[in-house]
Amino acid sequence: GDSVTQMEGPVTLSEEAFLTINCTYTATGYPSLFWYVQYPGEGLQLLLKATKADDKGSNKGFEATYRKETTSFHLEKGSVQVSDSAVYFCALSFTSGGSYIPTFGRGTSLIVHP
Amino acid sequence: SQTIHQWPATLVQPVGSPLSLECTVEGTSNPNLYWYRQAAGRGLQLLFYSVGIGQISSEVPQNLSASRPQDRQFILSSKKLLLSDSGFYLCARQDYGYTFGSGTRLTVV
Repeated sequence: GDSVTQMEGPVTLSEEAFLTINCTYTATGYPSLFWYVQYPGEGLQLLLKATKADDKGSNKGFEATYRKETTSFHLEKGSVQVSDSAVYFCALSFTSGGSYIPTFGRGTSLIVHP
Repeated sequence: SQTIHQWPATLVQPVGSPLSLECTVEGTSNPNLYWYRQAAGRGLQLLFYSVGIGQISSEVPQNLSASRPQDRQFILSSKKLLLSDSGFYLCARQDYGYTFGSGTRLTVV
């Protein structure tokens, strides 16, 4: 079945450091890919998405590129802030055909120190 | 607006008591709706999904149940809570991606 694998956390960084959170997926077909962010005590919010190979999703300084050849969708940010501390979830879904049930990774906790 | 309303925000219930968590959504009619549970330090576990009124699919066998009495209402229930039911419960709807409610923190004591 479909699956999403994220790097284990927590990821601990100093403010202004470069961030990479790895995400790889296994799916039959060509899913849409998503990153969600969950701030402490809140629900998940869509951070960015990409719907086809080589698409780059971006939002709030975060970026991720849909790499079909490596089945990856790594999340990056050039300079993190303390306010970026949260749990980040990678997910895949089929918006047409296939399963409409999203598949989420286990989440990666990011802690940014001042 | 694709807003999702969940309540209550927090809940403390004794073991063996019943549960009812409500989720209502705004926006497009006949949305696909989901209930997820997030245990402490763990990822998201899909519990139920619904593609329409009265249509419920269960992903994980357990003492929880779900109902969809109206197009924009999705309810998570239990007749007798267990300690292991503690967690953070999230309702979601399928849009272009997925929109989540703010969640309910359930503690079973």
